[in-house]
Amino acid sequence: NAGVMQNPRHLVRRRGQEARLRCSPVKGHSHVYWYRQLPEEGLKFMVYLQKENIIDESGMPKERFSAEFPKEGPSILRIQQVVRGDSAAYFCASSPRGFKETQYFGPGTRLLVL
Amino acid sequence: GENVGLHLPTLSVQEGDNSIINCAYSNSASDYFIWYKQESGKGPQFIIDIRSNMDKRQGQRVTVLLNKTVKHLSLQIAATQPGDSAVYFCAEYTGNQFYFGTGTSLTVIP
Repeated sequence: NAGVMQNPRHLVRRRGQEARLRCSPVKGHSHVYWYRQLPEEGLKFMVYLQKENIIDESGMPKERFSAEFPKEGPSILRIQQVVRGDSAAYFCASSPRGFKETQYFGPGTRLLVL
Repeated sequence: GENVGLHLPTLSVQEGDNSIINCAYSNSASDYFIWYKQESGKGPQFIIDIRSNMDKRQGQRVTVLLNKTVKHLSLQIAATQPGDSAVYFCAEYTGNQFYFGTGTSLTVIP
């Protein structure tokens, strides 16, 4: 009974490189959410996806960030040309139905930009 | 954005005592709330939820109280154990999104 899986757990990138974060939701869950957590801060919503669709990306920075949840395979959060301010923990959550349901979180990916 | 905050950033309790963690929310239209526990280096773990049509909900060793009049949410943990040491934060659902507090760090003293 696997929960939400995220990989890598830790990712180090130099400024200007690309970061790809992967999330496999709970089996049977078709709704995926990405959050960012900075030290000493609460989780901040980034994007909500269903299979092949972006439902709400109001929390996503307009540039350099993108997300997808293809029909097959994990959801991907992609950060292009990373900057030091992108260093954070990125959490993925999933739910069986829509947004207003309990979301189950993965262990997170800790991104460090040097 | 919404302001979901906690009254105390840290809380220390003796093992076996009861713990109470508080959360204030700002939007009276919020109608769904969740408490999460986050251990160091791990993702948030669902503890208990409550909808706005309820004032109280109980789980195993945990109780959530909702006071809509003052927009206050609390988590009570009975007979606190060392394994309860973690950061606890509440999440408020409003405007088609969840907003999360920064958390209270609970330390259980053996």
